[in-house]
Amino acid sequence: ETGVTQTPRHLVMGMTNKKSLKCEQHLGHNAMYWYKQSAKKPLELMFVYSLEERVENNSVPSRFSPECPNSSHLFLHLHTLQPEDSALYLCASSQDDTAGPEKLFFGSGTQLSVL
Amino acid sequence: AQKITQTQPGMFVQEKEAVTLDCTYDTSDQSYGLFWYKQPSSGEMIFLIYQGSYDEQNATEGRYSLNFQKARKSANLVISASQLGDSAMYFCAMRDDILTGGGNKLTFGTGTQLKVEL
Repeated sequence: ETGVTQTPRHLVMGMTNKKSLKCEQHLGHNAMYWYKQSAKKPLELMFVYSLEERVENNSVPSRFSPECPNSSHLFLHLHTLQPEDSALYLCASSQDDTAGPEKLFFGSGTQLSVL
Repeated sequence: AQKITQTQPGMFVQEKEAVTLDCTYDTSDQSYGLFWYKQPSSGEMIFLIYQGSYDEQNATEGRYSLNFQKARKSANLVISASQLGDSAMYFCAMRDDILTGGGNKLTFGTGTQLKVEL
């Protein structure tokens, strides 16, 4: 069982659909993240949850709605997306410790295509 | 302003040779951390190596080493004895603003695609 698991691996949706991406971490971490990876662009941080509270919303459109019901699970709810939202969505987790930066552990991502 | 710059979109190296992947960064913080990640075609980002701004010695992890030049704000990744399995995208990332909590927010570069050839 990998440390960070994302489902589904691939998702194709229409612009009017509603879908959700799921992330689960088995590492006992207390912080979780959503990143967006588009072709030829740096990874973009979307949301950060630390101790189950959202601490960062990086100017993400409201058609993306995160949910963190507990420290092990993170969701990204999608509705009325645009074709430019097609990308690889990566989930990550870490142990949030202000004594110093901790590495992020990533899942394999969900490849999203919006038609 | 871009915080992490990777100027090499693609690199080729022959098997068993060493390769250096460039990374420069920009921050006004005194305390920061630099990371390198590898992303194979499967998509998962794999942590390779970490360098703290106050670390006096260059970080090493097996065949990976980080050539940290603080005054030049560069943190190049050196891979020794390249293997076919090293073919992947490589990302440099930074965490600054370390003394505030709220998650380890990494800023990534655009990546370098490394191809190892026979």
